[in-house]
Amino acid sequence: AQSVTQLGSHVSVSEGALVLLRCNYSSSVPPYLFWYVQYPNQGLQLLLKYTSAATLVKGINGFEAEFKKSETSFHLTKPSAHMSDAAEYFCAVSDVVNAGNMLTFGGGTRLMVKP
Amino acid sequence: DAGVTQSPTHLIKTRGQQVTLRCSPISGHKSVSWYQQVLGQGPQFIFQYYEKEERGRGNFPDRFSARQFPNYSSELNVNALLLGDSALYLCASSLADRESYEQYFGPGTRLTVT
Repeated sequence: AQSVTQLGSHVSVSEGALVLLRCNYSSSVPPYLFWYVQYPNQGLQLLLKYTSAATLVKGINGFEAEFKKSETSFHLTKPSAHMSDAAEYFCAVSDVVNAGNMLTFGGGTRLMVKP
Repeated sequence: DAGVTQSPTHLIKTRGQQVTLRCSPISGHKSVSWYQQVLGQGPQFIFQYYEKEERGRGNFPDRFSARQFPNYSSELNVNALLLGDSALYLCASSLADRESYEQYFGPGTRLTVT
């Protein structure tokens, strides 16, 4: 089974600063990786996904993530944080289960943006 | 296009009761998955259904069951509720049951068991 580790349950940045949220995965085969964002009292919104087409993946709201096989990492970045980026971020890996597939999520990182 | 919809939004039940949660997928999506998100944690996989058949089951007791209807909507049932079942239940839909297809999530149903 796959697993995902998100280093740092809380990350605080100033508005305009670089955002870096870390994600490491364990997988014996090339994975499908995803980043989701969850705003308070809402469901999950897909930010971006990696499906082996390119190692640098661009998503919505200015976010991007880089797949590094040698480091088994898929860190999420954004050059300049906005107040509206404050939310919980989840990294996930797709895994085969029985005859279908499921997402295995990391524990999440809460991003706080200071004015 | 409408996204994934779930009902009800909130629910309060007593220990030992039974609950049914409902989900309508995005139009054209044939796969529905259910996840449980306990406060402060990432979502955990419960079930996946595709074309009305169960394709995957997570590590949850038999008190949890689900089904998918011909219109691809789905219900999640939980019997003999425990306090530990209190969580946000998320439904996700995707085009098919393949790993490469992204899953789109609904707003969730917040279940509180007292």
